[in-house]
Amino acid sequence: AQKITQTQPGMFVQEKEAVTLDCTYDTSDPSYGLFWYKQPSSGEMIFLIYQGSYDQQNATEGRYSLNFQKARKSANLVISASQLGDSAMYFCAMREALHNAGNNRKLIWGLGTSLAVNP
Amino acid sequence: NAGVTQTPKFQVLKTGQSMTLQCAQDMNHNSMYWYRQDPGMGLRLIYYSASEGTTDKGEVPNGYNVSRLNKREFSLRLESAAPSQTSVYFCASSEARTLGPHQYFGAGTRLSVL
Repeated sequence: AQKITQTQPGMFVQEKEAVTLDCTYDTSDPSYGLFWYKQPSSGEMIFLIYQGSYDQQNATEGRYSLNFQKARKSANLVISASQLGDSAMYFCAMREALHNAGNNRKLIWGLGTSLAVNP
Repeated sequence: NAGVTQTPKFQVLKTGQSMTLQCAQDMNHNSMYWYRQDPGMGLRLIYYSASEGTTDKGEVPNGYNVSRLNKREFSLRLESAAPSQTSVYFCASSEARTLGPHQYFGAGTRLSVL
């Protein structure tokens, strides 16, 4: 079963508008972390934002915020005031605590959402 | 800081040839990872190394071997390349003692097997 689901293969947004990229996850581990990465057309993977399962507040990093709804097991990425440079693939990932032995702390990845920002 | 350095950036192989992808990180991270990325399939973990001296299989280890040469370096070897191994390969590292630290990625290697 998919542990990380990104239901939107592609999204469009107008420049300067806000956009929400969806991510739902499945885990029985009470302790986990959620990550968002950006992959522009140049190919590099860029870390954007992190949310811990016990964090009381939603994470924010500049124009990025994470809408964390623990009961619904969702961790949506919100990008405010979209810019042309935000056009990229966006990946949601999860790290579980109990289901990883030792220090390996593997990441479980979604399939990504392609975002296009229109001028 | 250089971060995670992968070499080569591009490679074309013929079926049956062997090659080693090199990866080095200068952040003193314990954990290192090799992924492959194929269209529509996201990132799939090939092998990982939780710490120097240990390696473990990920989701798709068949056809690959790894060596954690020291704390800095983690190499991926294709002994007999197959067209199905045409992909973009990423090396990553992280300090993974807690949940929070994210993985740092190299720039990737585009491999074509003809």
